[in-house]
Amino acid sequence: NAGVTQTPKFQVLKTGQSMTLQCAQDMNHNSMYWYRQDPGMGLRLIYYSASEGTTDKGEVPNGYNVSRLNKREFSLRLESAAPSQTSVYFCASSEPGQGSSYEQYFGPGTRLTVT
Amino acid sequence: RKEVEQDPGPFNVPEGATVAFNCTYSNSASQSFFWYRQDCRKEPKLLMSVYSSGNEDGRFTAQLNRASQYISLLIRDSKLSDSATYLCVVNSGSSYKLIFGSGTRLLVRP
Repeated sequence: NAGVTQTPKFQVLKTGQSMTLQCAQDMNHNSMYWYRQDPGMGLRLIYYSASEGTTDKGEVPNGYNVSRLNKREFSLRLESAAPSQTSVYFCASSEPGQGSSYEQYFGPGTRLTVT
Repeated sequence: RKEVEQDPGPFNVPEGATVAFNCTYSNSASQSFFWYRQDCRKEPKLLMSVYSSGNEDGRFTAQLNRASQYISLLIRDSKLSDSATYLCVVNSGSSYKLIFGSGTRLLVRP
């Protein structure tokens, strides 16, 4: 099992450019999440998807869109990148069903720099 | 006030030392509690869940005090490989969404 995979690992964008971060999981989890991590800020939830076909805003959704393509894949799109979006982006998945204790499993992250 | 608060450290300890980290959370409705470990430039990984009765996994012991809304992690006989950032994590009230503390950095020196 690969667990949670993310592409790309690194990306440099110019202000105003767009890009999509890809995430896939092979654990058959229903829920998937996108976080950003900035120094001293901890992980902040951007968007999440409770199950295939649903998405909801998290704590910091402005400037981002998401697509839950199927149960395995959850993508994050930056339509017009800004320097404030320079960060490390993590995708995670979980199976918060009955009896679960909600733990999440993370991908290796995408380091994004916007100049 | 942050929903999950931790001392950022760093805690700088010699090999073999015992070190304890504390964390407080603000939402009394939270039901699930975890410690995650994050190595430099890597993803967070689950270290252990924290149960009401306290639990131990080898050199690691986690405690939960619901009345004080306080979680702790004790590491005994520290190893160089324990050097990392330890994240206190709590679910958001009755939701399955998780709230992450900013982390406590541990440096174990030879």
